[in-house]
Amino acid sequence: ELKVEQNPLFLSMQEGKNYTIYCNYSTTSDRLYWYRQDPGKSLESLFVLLSNGAVKQEGRLMASLDTKARLSTLHITAAVHDLSATYFCAVDISLNFGNEKLTFGTGTRLTIIP
Amino acid sequence: NAGVTQTPKFQVLKTGQSMTLQCAQDMNHNSMYWYRQDPGMGLRLIYYSASEGTTDKGEVPNGYNVSRLNKREFSLRLESAAPSQTSVYFCASSSGATRQYFGPGTRLTVT
Repeated sequence: ELKVEQNPLFLSMQEGKNYTIYCNYSTTSDRLYWYRQDPGKSLESLFVLLSNGAVKQEGRLMASLDTKARLSTLHITAAVHDLSATYFCAVDISLNFGNEKLTFGTGTRLTIIP
Repeated sequence: NAGVTQTPKFQVLKTGQSMTLQCAQDMNHNSMYWYRQDPGMGLRLIYYSASEGTTDKGEVPNGYNVSRLNKREFSLRLESAAPSQTSVYFCASSSGATRQYFGPGTRLTVT
């Protein structure tokens, strides 16, 4: 059974600081996704990582994937209040494209404080 | 483009009642999914449909049925609701090996 673990589960950080959220998973996969969810809202896709060594950046967020270590990271640079949300990673172990079955981590609730 | 739409937004059921959650997408995606999200947890896959006419079980299918009515629509039915099915239900769609686009969710309470 695939397990996807995120840490930390809760994170309070000051504006302007840097931090990293970690996503570990228990079986072979080279497809990993990051999503953002604001309270009471739906999920918004942030990054799609489809190979070992993939790195994607948008604004203050950067995601990477190390399939050998079964680890993805979401790095936040110079945090701002607008980044407060819950962040989920999700791993796909399906064999065929177009048939992906995502297993989600439990999420990291990020709060940016002034 | 509306993206992924879901109805209803909120629903309260009594134990044993039945209902159908509706989902539609206008992005011409082949794949559609139903998830549930319980407080403090990530999403868990209930059922998915890789293409029109096919459906498969996900991680937590017990107590649910689905219908892929056509390429646009994918419905989720609770035949006999139970309190354990109180949750937020999300529908999603994708074109394959790309991001999934999520609907706004249906908040279901079973008393």
